[in-house]
Amino acid sequence: DSGVTQTPKHLITATGQRVTLRCSPRSGDLSVYWYQQSLDQGLQFLIQYYNGEERAKGNILERFSAQQFPDLHSELNLSSLELGDSALYFCASSTGVNEKLFFGSGTQLSVL
Amino acid sequence: DQQVKQNSPSLSVQEGRISILNCDYTNSMFDYFLWYKKYPAEGPTFLISISSIKDKNEDGRFTVFLNKSAKHLSLHIVPSQPGDSAVYFCAASGMNRDDKIIFGKGTRLHILP
Repeated sequence: DSGVTQTPKHLITATGQRVTLRCSPRSGDLSVYWYQQSLDQGLQFLIQYYNGEERAKGNILERFSAQQFPDLHSELNLSSLELGDSALYFCASSTGVNEKLFFGSGTQLSVL
Repeated sequence: DQQVKQNSPSLSVQEGRISILNCDYTNSMFDYFLWYKKYPAEGPTFLISISSIKDKNEDGRFTVFLNKSAKHLSLHIVPSQPGDSAVYFCAASGMNRDDKIIFGKGTRLHILP
């Protein structure tokens, strides 16, 4: 158990819908990262937060947004969903910035 | 543009032999490298790391080698065990606070009995 909690584990929705993925980092970790894993695409970096502030941005679509709350949990919002958004979304946390990451078990999103 | 490349999608190795997983990177600003292991239905777990000031780091059966001039690193597992069957991801980062941790696409390792 990495100590990072992601909910829900599975999400099935339809095109055009909006969903929210939630992540609780390990106790004491200030940094939260979001990654997307699609078939044959490895782990694509989406966005990183440190203590509530956005720290780095990757290939995150404009339809996607995220935030980190004062209690350090984070949410990833995906809107106007398309079939191609179906993927495994991982959250990770670390104590500082760009240190060893601890990953949650992921949220499997299926857009039908 | 893929900055971290794992060119072998899969690798099969006999139990007890050495497994060598390779990773190449293009960004010369990377100076911290990590290997992660992933089982199905689980998140990746940290395995071993190396900073650019070293060329080798060892932890039990796992050794990571870094060749900065070639922009290449490798993970050696010896001896390979059945539980090592998993997907291995190479990752790299700079040390600036805004740097991203970039992952490769992964290599699936099969340990054969």
